[in-house]
Amino acid sequence: DVVMTQSPLSLPVTLGQPASISCRASQSLVHSDGNTYLYWLQQRPGQSPRRLIYKVSNRDSGVPDRFSGSGSGRDFTLTISRVEAEDVGVYYCVQGSFWPPYTFGQGTKLVIK
Amino acid sequence: QAQLVESGGGVVQPGRSLRLSCATSGFAFNAFGLQWVRQSPGRGLEWVASTAHDGSRKFYADSVQGRFTISRDSSNNILYLQMNSLRGDDTAIYYCVRGWHDADFMGAWGQGTSVTVSS
Repeated sequence: DVVMTQSPLSLPVTLGQPASISCRASQSLVHSDGNTYLYWLQQRPGQSPRRLIYKVSNRDSGVPDRFSGSGSGRDFTLTISRVEAEDVGVYYCVQGSFWPPYTFGQGTKLVIK
Repeated sequence: QAQLVESGGGVVQPGRSLRLSCATSGFAFNAFGLQWVRQSPGRGLEWVASTAHDGSRKFYADSVQGRFTISRDSSNNILYLQMNSLRGDDTAIYYCVRGWHDADFMGAWGQGTSVTVSS
């Protein structure tokens, strides 16, 4: 199984400042079709997860443009350019390149300093 | 707007069975693969099972293989998860999720239904 490792697990950020979350896979996530199926989810307190980014760097509809995804191979990053109060929650990466099983990172909890 | 509404959760004794349902609307049910993902405090998010758009292919996590069955009713746009021989480590919130590949992957989630396995 592909193991997804996120860092940090806790991320205190000052409002208006940038934030970055790293996600590393135990193997390259490049699929035989040439695509990389790496996704980012956000789970706000008391809510179910929702997808923010699909296939490494594509923002979902309605997701603010302060969120961006990047990376390739084994290493990926979710960046928030300027953190707002509504960004508090837990962020997960998940891979869909080599399955079953789909595998998730442990989650990174973003809190406001 | 896609809607997925889970139901059927509850408290059940170890070894017993439970069937979860996910009523869907707002999208073409027969066009999407569907999944169950669970979340427990100690284990984070865990993929449980997936079914193809037409139900022709089904996949299960090793932890539930042989005990859980995923199915779909295209007449009523409902996804099911039949859970047998429940164990304590099946305790979790179970989410119904739309999409199992490419740009559709996990693109919509339900609100979840809670399952507690305890004597």
